[in-house]
Amino acid sequence: AQSVTQLGSHVSVSEGALVLLRCNYSSSVPPYLFWYVQYPNQGLQLLLKYTSAATLVKGINGFEAEFKKSETSFHLTKPSAHMSDAAEYFCAVSKAFGNEKLTFGTGTRLTIIP
Amino acid sequence: GAGVSQTPSNKVTEKGKYVELRCDPISGHTALYWYRQSLGQGPEFLIYFQGTGAADDSGLPNDRFFAVRPEGSVSTLKIQRTERGDSAVYLCASSLTPADTQYFGPGTRLTVL
Repeated sequence: AQSVTQLGSHVSVSEGALVLLRCNYSSSVPPYLFWYVQYPNQGLQLLLKYTSAATLVKGINGFEAEFKKSETSFHLTKPSAHMSDAAEYFCAVSKAFGNEKLTFGTGTRLTIIP
Repeated sequence: GAGVSQTPSNKVTEKGKYVELRCDPISGHTALYWYRQSLGQGPEFLIYFQGTGAADDSGLPNDRFFAVRPEGSVSTLKIQRTERGDSAVYLCASSLTPADTQYFGPGTRLTVL
C-alpha cells in the first residue's frame, strides 16, 4: 500500500519569503511522486512530478521538489513567495511503472501575507 | 485545446435519489479516472478506465456506485439511493496513457440533503 503524509494543514509565509511544504511518503514499491495545486473553484493542476530520473525536480511557477529516499520525503519549495501562490497544495504518490491511481495527502493550504 | 469537462458543476439531490455525473475527457486520452474529494480531504480514488473497460474499481465504496465508459470517451458515474455521506466533490481526470500525467476537470459538487 502507498500513502503520503503532508505535515501542516495550513502554512503562512510572507510575500518574498521561502515556501516549504512538507510531504513524506510510504511505499512498498518504487514510487512516482507528484505535487498538484488547486486554486479556488478550479481543478487540480500538476506542478511537478518525480519519475525516478533526476532527484531534484523543477516544476511550473518557480516550484521545485527533491526526492530523498533516505528520508522518504518529497518536500516542495519556492525561493520567493508571490501573492498568486495562495492555494491548496496536494502531494500524491503512485506506483512506478504503472501510473494509475494516485493516492493523495490531505493537502496544505498556503496563505501569503502581504 | 479543451481540457477535461464535467457536468453538472453542482448537483443538489435528496436522500434516496439517483444521480448521474458526466465526464468528458481530453480528446484522444485513453485512460480516465474518477476521484472523490470530501471537505478538508485530498481526493480519493474511485475507479479507473483503460478504454471502455474498468481496469481498477477498487475504490468504489459500495455497490450503489457504478461507472461506465461505453465508447471509450465520455464516462458517467452513477450513484443509486444517495446518502448524505455521498456529499463531496467528484473529480474526473484523464491521461493519454496510464503512464502519463493525469489532467483533472473542475469537479462536480454533489450535495445530498
